[in-house]
Amino acid sequence: KNEVEQSPQNLTAQEGEFITINCSYSVGISALHWLQQHPGGGIVSLFMLSSGKKKHGRLIATINIQEKHSSLHITASHPRDSAVYICAVPTGGSEKLVFGKGTKLTVNP
Amino acid sequence: DSGVTQTPKHLITATGQRVTLRCSPRSGDLSVYWYQQSLDQGLQFLIQYYNGEERAKGNILERFSAQQFPDLHSELNLSSLELGDSALYFCASSGKRRSYNEQFFGPGTRLTVL
Repeated sequence: KNEVEQSPQNLTAQEGEFITINCSYSVGISALHWLQQHPGGGIVSLFMLSSGKKKHGRLIATINIQEKHSSLHITASHPRDSAVYICAVPTGGSEKLVFGKGTKLTVNP
Repeated sequence: DSGVTQTPKHLITATGQRVTLRCSPRSGDLSVYWYQQSLDQGLQFLIQYYNGEERAKGNILERFSAQQFPDLHSELNLSSLELGDSALYFCASSGKRRSYNEQFFGPGTRLTVL
């Protein structure tokens, strides 16, 4: 069974700060997903990565397969980044995703 | 807009009732996934269909069933509803068969069981 742990659970930042959210998982995987859930409930896929680093705008995701750890960074954070960020990994050699409990980010102006 | 549509957006019903949630995947996507998000359990995988066939099963109750139709839309049927079934139900779709693919999520259906 693959457990997914995220930290921190809650994060409050001031606009412009650099944000880091961490995700650790317990078994080997081929890829990891980062998702963003807006206050209204909608879920957006941010990244799917299997090695190294990916960047999209102010968002950067990194993964270390050997250490079973991934980080999501937000540079120059903005109030519109306020959301819940969720990491998820496939389990059992299938596409079934197991989700972390999420990190609630609040960015204050 | 992910290209995945779900109807209805909100559903309020009573215990013991049966409801059907509908999902249309992105154009060209063959896989559909169903997830449940409740306050106490977080996001949980329910079931996956690929091109009309069940591909993987998660924590789906026996009272729940799903299917994917030839036009690739999918329906999740929830019966004998209980208060604890109140949750957000998401579907997602992806394109390829045997690799770990990005999944595109629909807006969700918020089910309230009274």
